Formats: sequence, C-alpha cells, structure tokens
Amino acid sequence: GAVVSQHPSWVICKSGTSVKIECRSLDFQATTMFWYRQFPKQSLMLMATSNEGSKATYEQGVEKDKFLINHASLTLSTLTVTSAHPEDSSFYICSASSRGTNSYEQYFGPGTRLTVT
Amino acid sequence: GENVEQHPSTLSVQEGDSAVIKCTYSDSASNYFPWYKQELGKGPQLIIDIRSNVGEKKDQRIAVTLNKTAKHFSLHITETQPEDSAVYFCAALTNQFYFGTGTSLTVIP
Repeated sequence: GAVVSQHPSWVICKSGTSVKIECRSLDFQATTMFWYRQFPKQSLMLMATSNEGSKATYEQGVEKDKFLINHASLTLSTLTVTSAHPEDSSFYICSASSRGTNSYEQYFGPGTRLTVT
Repeated sequence: GENVEQHPSTLSVQEGDSAVIKCTYSDSASNYFPWYKQELGKGPQLIIDIRSNVGEKKDQRIAVTLNKTAKHFSLHITETQPEDSAVYFCAALTNQFYFGTGTSLTVIP
C-alpha cells in the first residue's frame, strides 16, 4: 500500500515552454501533497504544500507564478513549470500524506527529472 | 523553524558490519521522525519511523532510537548488505517535514 506515482519520470523541454508534472496517490486519499526540488547530492527542498481543494502554500523564495500547483482531488496534484529556463532543470519529487489521528506518514513519488535546454 | 543536522555525510562499511547514522533536531515540538532511503534516480522510500512517545523501534535489520531530552535520533543497520548502499535521509515533523542533509552509505562486498 501507500504508492505514489509521478508522470513523466523524465522530460526534456525547450527554454520558454511549460511542463506539467502529475503526482497521484494510487491506493489512498492524500489530504496533503508536497512538492520538493532536489539538486544533485543535496537534500530535498520543500517548494510548496497543497491541500485538496485549496490554494497551495509556497515556501519563501519559490515563485508562485512560475510553479503552478493544483490539487484538484484527493488523489491528484499537478506541478506546472511555466516558461521554463535552464536553471529550472532539477529533480522534482512529490509526496503525499493522509493526515489522520494516527497517521503522519509521508510517501514519496519516484521523482521527475526535468532538463530544460 | 526546525533545524535538522545529519552525520556523517558519507559512510563506508564492510558487508556484514553495522552502520549508524545520527541526526539532531532543534524544535522540541517535533513529534515524528522518519528515515528514508533514496537510491540513485529514485524518490525517497520510507524505511522506518518513530514517534515522540517511543524510545526505540526495530524492524528486522533496521532500528531507530530517539532521545527526546538530547534531541537526537539515530538509524542503526545491522548485518549490512551491498543492497543497503544508498543515500539515507532523516526528517523531523513539526508543522512540516524538515530533512537532514543526507548520508551516502556504501557497503563494500
């Protein structure tokens, strides 16, 4: 149980275009989803937290208009990188959590490697 | 906010030996401490976790200990195998998850 998928697993796009990454919880309802960015050999950097049906909360320094997050259902969240530039190239990872009385667990997707040329 | 420090950053052990990774945290309100294993090119996988009302938890070759007074928790892997080689992250939960900087573990056959 507790499987989170991401699509695509890798994507190459040209500078100036937009890219959408999907994150799905396959066997549980995710009340909260998180989006992280990870640079090579570094830890995870939280970009934003999204709760189903409400606007995402972005971390300081993360551009809301550039990284659009939608959490339309309890099983799907999307991250859209708008007008991508080479510096946006990174490993993007989502995670999903079902916060209940006895559940704090956070389950990660396999990540999406974005390369902007 | 919370500050999580993790040591060592790299660790090499012989197959069969034990490996210990330590993390400290600063916010006494943190109440949940998971450990994740991340293989190259993949997302982190939860391997074990502990809550603040427990001092130790074990799952086969993996164990985690928590010292709330000292604000530190550790991951113990016994009888290490080459497939244990990966990057391990600790985390602490308050209002959000705060991650350590990672430990690259290499198990030498």
